[in-house]
Amino acid sequence: DIQMTQSPSSLSASVGDRVTIACRASQSVITYLQWYQQKPGKAPRLLIYGASSLQDGVPSRFSASGSGTDFSLTISSLQPEDFATYYCQQSYSTPPWTFGQGTKVEVK
Amino acid sequence: QVQLVQSGAEVKKPGASVKVSCTASGYTFTTYYMHWVRQAPGQGLEWLGMINTGNGATSYAQNFQDRLIVTRDTSTRTVFMELSSLRSEDTAIYYCARARVMAAAGDYWGQGALVTVSS
Repeated sequence: DIQMTQSPSSLSASVGDRVTIACRASQSVITYLQWYQQKPGKAPRLLIYGASSLQDGVPSRFSASGSGTDFSLTISSLQPEDFATYYCQQSYSTPPWTFGQGTKVEVK
Repeated sequence: QVQLVQSGAEVKKPGASVKVSCTASGYTFTTYYMHWVRQAPGQGLEWLGMINTGNGATSYAQNFQDRLIVTRDTSTRTVFMELSSLRSEDTAIYYCARARVMAAAGDYWGQGALVTVSS
């Protein structure tokens, strides 16, 4: 199975900060890479699919890039509702889906 | 609008089985795969298996091959996940998530169903 590794595991930031989360795959997933946001007690929410495409309804302050094995998610100006845990997920080698371990974005 | 509504919380004893349902609405049921993902308390996301709701074909994570069964009922637009031989480590929230094709993202997720395994 393809392993997904995110960094950092957590970060502290303030409202208005630019935040970047990295995700590395153990082998190429081309652009079959998704990003999800999860808030406590809620299901994951799809933010980005195909490595860089914004899901409908997701604010434009979210962006993502990458291909092959290295990917990143950027929040251009962190908002109060963005404090959450973010997961990357590959779907190139499906089954199975595999997820990164998550990155928790906390208030500084 | 698209909705995936899951059955409620369950408490089971070790060795028992649990069956969680996921009822879809707002789209053509048989044109999407349905995946199952779980999340243990304070942990990350773990993929369990999936079903092609069109033809019923399934695929399971290697760790669950011998105790997971995913089925669907097209007449009620419902997918079922049954996990047997439960142990305490199976305590988790179980989510269903739809995907347009096998390699697509999970664009809609159910609200989750908490399964607690305790003696």
